[in-house]
Amino acid sequence: DAGVIQSPRHEVTEMGQEVTLRCKPISGHDYLFWYRQTMMRGLELLIYFNNNVPIDDSGMPEDRFSAKMPNASFSTLKIQPSEPRDSAVYFCASRRTGGFGGYTFGSGTRLTVV
Amino acid sequence: DQQVKQNSPSLSVQEGRISILNCDYTNSMFDYFLWYKKYPAEGPTFLISISSIKDKNEDGRFTVFLNKSAKHLSLHIVPSQPGDSAVYFCAASAYSNYQLIWGAGTKLIIKP
Repeated sequence: DAGVIQSPRHEVTEMGQEVTLRCKPISGHDYLFWYRQTMMRGLELLIYFNNNVPIDDSGMPEDRFSAKMPNASFSTLKIQPSEPRDSAVYFCASRRTGGFGGYTFGSGTRLTVV
Repeated sequence: DQQVKQNSPSLSVQEGRISILNCDYTNSMFDYFLWYKKYPAEGPTFLISISSIKDKNEDGRFTVFLNKSAKHLSLHIVPSQPGDSAVYFCAASAYSNYQLIWGAGTKLIIKP
C-alpha cells in the first residue's frame, strides 16, 4: 500500500499563473478530501468527494479554485489565477466508508505564489 | 467561528514527564473525537480516538479523556519521548456527518 500520493511536493509559481495539484488516493477508499493548512487558519477542508462525486465544496475559497475527480484513483485541485494569499500546504486525504480514524493523508504540496 | 479550539500553540515538556494537550469544542452535536500527529513535511497521521459514549480511551502511552459537560478533551502522553515532538491536531465529528472539524494544532517539543 503506497499510501496517498500527492504531486508535486513543492510548487513555486508566479501570481496569475494556473496551478494544478494532483492526488492519488488509496485503492478502495471511497472518500477523498482536499485540505489547506495555513498558520492563520490551521487545517481547512476545501472540498470532499464520495465515489468521485463532489459532496461539499463550501470550503473552496472562491471561484478561482476548482477540483475534479474523474475516476476513483485520481483527483486534481486547480487554482486559476493563483494569488500570493493562496500560498499554503495543500493536503489530500482519503478513507473508506465508516473509517473515522482511517483518514490517510498524503505528504502535501507546499505551494508558494510569488 | 472556531468549533474546535486548541488554545496552546506550543508546549514544551521534559523527556520522561507527562505531556497534556488540551482541546475544547463548542458544538454539542459532536460525538466522535480524534487526535492526529503531524511531523514536518508529512501529512497528519491518526493517533487515537474516542466516542462520546466513553470518557477515556487508552492506547499504550497515549490516553484521551473526554469531559462532555465541559466540552473538553485532553491527550495525555506518558512518558514523553523525543519522537513525540510533533504538531498534534484535535478533530471532531458527528456520526451523521463524516466531515472532521479541526483545531489549529499544538506543537509539542520534548526536551532531552
